Amino acid sequence: EVQLVESGGGLIQPGGSLRLSCAASGFTVSTNYMSWVRQAPGKGLEWVSVIYSGGTTYYADSVKGRFTLSRDNSKNTLYLQMSSLRADDTAVYYCARDRGYSYFDCWGQGTLVTVSS
Amino acid sequence: QSVLTQPPSASGTPGQRVTISCSGSSSNIGSNTVSWYQQLPGTAPKLLIYSNNQRPSGVPARFSGSKSGTSASLAISGLQSEDEADYYCAAWDDSLNGYVFGTGTKVTVL
Repeated sequence: EVQLVESGGGLIQPGGSLRLSCAASGFTVSTNYMSWVRQAPGKGLEWVSVIYSGGTTYYADSVKGRFTLSRDNSKNTLYLQMSSLRADDTAVYYCARDRGYSYFDCWGQGTLVTVSS
Repeated sequence: QSVLTQPPSASGTPGQRVTISCSGSSSNIGSNTVSWYQQLPGTAPKLLIYSNNQRPSGVPARFSGSKSGTSASLAISGLQSEDEADYYCAAWDDSLNGYVFGTGTKVTVL
């Protein structure tokens, strides 16, 4: 069964850093495109970042220079390193398997990040 | 930032047909395929339609999608109470080098 499980969310002060993890099972992260999508409380979905199977990454302008997407092939896990966090980064963060410029066919349950003093 | 425009709400009685529109531009819907997601309260989004009009295994046939030019639409035929949810469209945007989502539509079953 294809499954994604996020972890690492929590309460963090503005300006702080946090690393989210997304553990995959049932498929290989390194041979797939993988994305992070976030949803602020009561708001819509916002794409954050993608990593291609070859390792190339792209970011939304709202997080560029502050977030870094990486993966550990030995652990079949995706990571989102977030720094210089701001209040408007508060959201549930979902990882999703990305079918390449087209759609997300598998989503994790999400992990909540709250940026507040 | 939502670049695709959807109506904020739609409603119907059980058994009715409901249609949700999704308007974009030449850099997203106009040049790439559209997908649709259903988000039930308190849960993660679920893929409903991909490649404009394809349904993943397990998605009921009452859900259908279409695309024309820079717009797309999702239709729910034979509306059921369990269809009450938020619906989002999405597409890759060649100018932004990233995905854009619709503003979301809340479907209410009266």
